[in-house]
Amino acid sequence: DAGVIQSPRHEVTEMGQEVTLRCKLISGHNSLFWYRQTMMRGLELLIYFNNNVPIDDSGMPEDRFSAKMPNASFSTLKIQPSEPRDSAVYFCASSLILRVGTSGGPSTDTQYFGPGTRLTVL
Amino acid sequence: QKEVEQNSGPLSVPEGAIASLNCTYSDRGSQSFFWYRQYSGKSPELIMSIYSNGDKEDGRFTAQLNKASQYVSLLIRDSQPSDSATYLCAVNMRGYSTLTFGKGTMLLVSP
Repeated sequence: DAGVIQSPRHEVTEMGQEVTLRCKLISGHNSLFWYRQTMMRGLELLIYFNNNVPIDDSGMPEDRFSAKMPNASFSTLKIQPSEPRDSAVYFCASSLILRVGTSGGPSTDTQYFGPGTRLTVL
Repeated sequence: QKEVEQNSGPLSVPEGAIASLNCTYSDRGSQSFFWYRQYSGKSPELIMSIYSNGDKEDGRFTAQLNKASQYVSLLIRDSQPSDSATYLCAVNMRGYSTLTFGKGTMLLVSP
């Protein structure tokens, strides 16, 4: 059974260029999380989708970052224009969440991470 | 402010010893707690989850949760060199479907 698929695995680009990262969810899952990991800041949530709808994008750093989920199993994270400070490993994680969190009550299921995309912006 | 705190380490233990990894969190209403292991250059993988106060054992791993003290720990018995990795604590805080991760503790197990 295929896990989370991310592409590309490595991306090297020059400042100012557009970068598009891709993620495919595990079949049957309904929630997707984009994370960024750096030594300084650790693993940070950028955006979270549930059933194709963005639920929480408070972690998206600025307008240069955008994410879409055009169908139930696929998502893109775009950075335009890219800057050297965007260099990081970007992970996407897949989960099955039966009830989006509201005040009180557990609602989080296990998140399964993809292999990540190592982005270097020169 | 949602916070999950871990000692960055490295925590060095000899092979066969017990490794104890600790994590504190800021939201008293947090409900679900996870430990992920991340090898260098790899993605995080779930090794334990715990939801209730007390201990939960799975093989050589034991997760301990104390909600009153806002503290969760992971014990690794009979540590092996293959356990050398960074261990991330993750918490589902009240009212959210997302996880807040600590920055991780690096564990080094020497033969």
